[in-house]
Amino acid sequence: AQSVTQLGSHVSVSEGALVLLRCNYSSSVPPYLFWYVQYPNQGLQLLLKYTTGATLVKGINGFEAEFKKSETSFHLTKPSAHMSDAAEYFCAVRNTGGFKTIFGAGTRLFVKA
Amino acid sequence: DTAVSQTPKYLVTQMGNDKSIKCEQNLGHDTMYWYKQDSKKFLKIMFSYNNKELIINETVPNRFSPKSPDKAHLNLHINSLELGDSAVYFCASSQNLNTGELFFGEGSRLTVL
Repeated sequence: AQSVTQLGSHVSVSEGALVLLRCNYSSSVPPYLFWYVQYPNQGLQLLLKYTTGATLVKGINGFEAEFKKSETSFHLTKPSAHMSDAAEYFCAVRNTGGFKTIFGAGTRLFVKA
Repeated sequence: DTAVSQTPKYLVTQMGNDKSIKCEQNLGHDTMYWYKQDSKKFLKIMFSYNNKELIINETVPNRFSPKSPDKAHLNLHINSLELGDSAVYFCASSQNLNTGELFFGEGSRLTVL
């Protein structure tokens, strides 16, 4: 069965600093991997996804993530944090050929002025 | 035009009551889901329908009954509400069973007193 672990339930960065949100997954078959963002009182919105091909994927709002099979990781980064990036971020995994998307517990990103 | 819309946005009710949440998507997608997000922001899949057919039914109490009258609509009826049912319920859709990207509604916050 697949699972997702997000390291750190809270991450705090200064505006302009690097954002790094960690995600490790477990999957018995090649996975599809996703990052979603949730702003307060809203639904989740897709930031980026990895299915096949290039392991470095770029998403919206300047975010990117790299699929590292040897480390079973899919960490999310952004070179320079903006106040508007403050939100909850969820990593998710879906097995190829599977029907279920499993979410990590989420990481709350705080951005300090 | 909202892609995935849920009603109502907020529900406050007493233990033992029955309530329904409705969801509609105008994206032309084949597959719809219900997710439950608890107070710690953890997201758990409850049900999935593909072209009105039930595909995923997680270990959810049978007080929860989903219904999909057509592929654009997925409703959730909950009988005999309990305190532990308090959560935010998210409807989501995907193009089909094989595509991983989920499009979420804004959520329906249920509070059981």
